Formats: sequence, structure tokens, C-alpha cells
Amino acid sequence: AQSVTQLGSHVSVSEGALVLLRCNYSSSVPPYLFWYVQYPNQGLQLLLKYTSAATLVKGINGFEAEFKKSETSFHLTKPSAHMSDAAEYFCAVRRQDDYKLSFGAGTTVTVRA
Amino acid sequence: EPEVTQTPSHQVTQMGQEVILRCVPISNHLYFYWYRQILGQKVEFLVSFYNNEISEKSEIFDDQFSVERPDGSNFTLKIRSTKLEDSAMYFCASSNADSSYEQYFGPGTRLTVT
Repeated sequence: AQSVTQLGSHVSVSEGALVLLRCNYSSSVPPYLFWYVQYPNQGLQLLLKYTSAATLVKGINGFEAEFKKSETSFHLTKPSAHMSDAAEYFCAVRRQDDYKLSFGAGTTVTVRA
Repeated sequence: EPEVTQTPSHQVTQMGQEVILRCVPISNHLYFYWYRQILGQKVEFLVSFYNNEISEKSEIFDDQFSVERPDGSNFTLKIRSTKLEDSAMYFCASSNADSSYEQYFGPGTRLTVT
């Protein structure tokens, strides 16, 4: 079975500062990994995905994530936070031979002016 | 850009009543999913559906739940006799048969059981 742990349920950053959201996974087989963002009163929007190609993955809105197999991690970063980045972020994992996504508990990001 | 839509956005029902949550997946997608998120908890997988049958379901998806694709566009989740603990946000998602089966989510239906 696969599972996802997101460290930190809430992250507060200043506008222009680095955003770092941590995600660790456990999976018995090489997984696919995803980051989703949820803005208030909206659905889950895919930010980026890792599907066993390049380990550094670039997504929308300036976000990127690096797959590190040795650390079983898939941390999400953005060099410079913008006020519009305030949202909840979910890391998710899926086995390559499976359909369902397993989500982390989510991290709420607030951005201070 | 194509998107998954869900209706209603908010449903209030009394315990023991039946509810049907509706979803319109992206038109050329072949795989359909329901997830739910109880307030303050993780998003949890309920069921996946492909080729007019359930392909996988979780422990949560018991006999009270059913899914259907009644026509070429809608995908529904029915809860036969709602319980207080069914109160949650229900998300529909769909995906196509590419290498990563990237899932596109709808905005969700907030179900409140009183």
C-alpha cells in the first residue's frame, strides 16, 4: 500500500520568500507523484506530476518539485511567493498499476504582505 | 479548457434519505472517480469506474453507495440511506488513458446530513 506524509499542516511565508512544502511517500513499487492545489471553494487543480521521467519537474505558476528516491521525497518549491499562492496544497501518490490516488493531509499556505 | 462539473454545489439532507450527486466528466475521458473529504481530514478514494463497471473501490464504498453512468455524459454517486458521518465534500474526477492517468477534479459537492 502507498501512503503520503506532508510535514506541516500550515506554512506562512512572506511575499517574495521561498515556498517549501514537504512530502514523503511510502510505496512498495515505483509510484507516480502529484501535487494538487485547492483554492477556496474550488476543486483540486494539478500543479505538477512525476511519472518516472525527469526527476526535477516543473509545473504551473512557477512551482517545481524534485523526486528523490533515496529520500522517498517529492518536495514542492517556488522561489518567490505571491499573494495568489495562498491555498491548500496536497501531495498525492499513485502506483503505476493502479488507478486510485492516495492523498496527504494537505498544507495550508498563507502569504504575508 | 474542458473541465469537470458537479451539481449541486451544496446538498443538505436528513439522515436516512437518499441523495444523488451528479458529475459531468470531461467528454473524451474514459475513467471516472469519486473521492470524499470529511472536514479536517484527508481526501479519500471511494471508487473508480471504467467501461461501465466499477474497477476498484475502497472499504468506505459499502452497499450504501452506488455509481452509475446513466447516459453518455453524466456520472452519479448515490447514497441510499445517508448517515451523519457521510457529511463531507465529494469530489468527482476523470482521466484519460495516457501514461499517467492524470486525474482532473471537479469543484466538489458539499453534503451535509442532519
